[in-house]
Amino acid sequence: GDSVTQMEGPVTLSEEAFLTINCTYTATGYPSLFWYVQYPGEGLQLLLKATKADDKGSNKGFEATYRKETTSFHLEKGSVQVSDSAVYFCARNDYKLSFGAGTTVTVRA
Amino acid sequence: DTAVSQTPKYLVTQMGNDKSIKCEQNLGHDTMYWYKQDSKKFLKIMFSYNNKELIINETVPNRFSPKSPDKAHLNLHINSLELGDSAVYFCASSLTDRDSKGTQYFGPGTRLLVL
Repeated sequence: GDSVTQMEGPVTLSEEAFLTINCTYTATGYPSLFWYVQYPGEGLQLLLKATKADDKGSNKGFEATYRKETTSFHLEKGSVQVSDSAVYFCARNDYKLSFGAGTTVTVRA
Repeated sequence: DTAVSQTPKYLVTQMGNDKSIKCEQNLGHDTMYWYKQDSKKFLKIMFSYNNKELIINETVPNRFSPKSPDKAHLNLHINSLELGDSAVYFCASSLTDRDSKGTQYFGPGTRLLVL
């Protein structure tokens, strides 16, 4: 089965809304977990990462906590801006980086 | 101070042609990768090289041939291009050490359109 499953989009929000994108991973080994962001027409940028259980990654107001008990790494942001409109990818890395299908987020003014 | 760069950024070509995409990283990393992103944004690894040695070779047609002349470069050559090869190809690199934990840094992508 898929090693990373993330919430299907697209997700459309208003500015200042709360954003959550769910991500779960296959629990084999001790992978590092990542969120990457792809802005329109651009490449992938590392948004945040966590390398062991209970680690919290954070960047640009986004946060995600490595939850081993629920095999999850949900992405959250308390107040989104129009500039957060992008595709967000959850990924796990054991011997190779496996991506979720991506979630397209559109933030409207 | 570009970290991972790819050329060209856009590539439009006819079916049956042979083309190459180049990738360079100036991060001092020892591992480089090629990924393919399809029209639905799905990302899949194609190849990985560590210190110029092929370590990951996913199920990719043998029309695709990666070449790593040194640790800082990983090029992708594609023979006999097909319509289905149209996609965005991303290069990435990482450092094999305990601290980096497999963090990969991506190039801006090469948008290939086969007509």
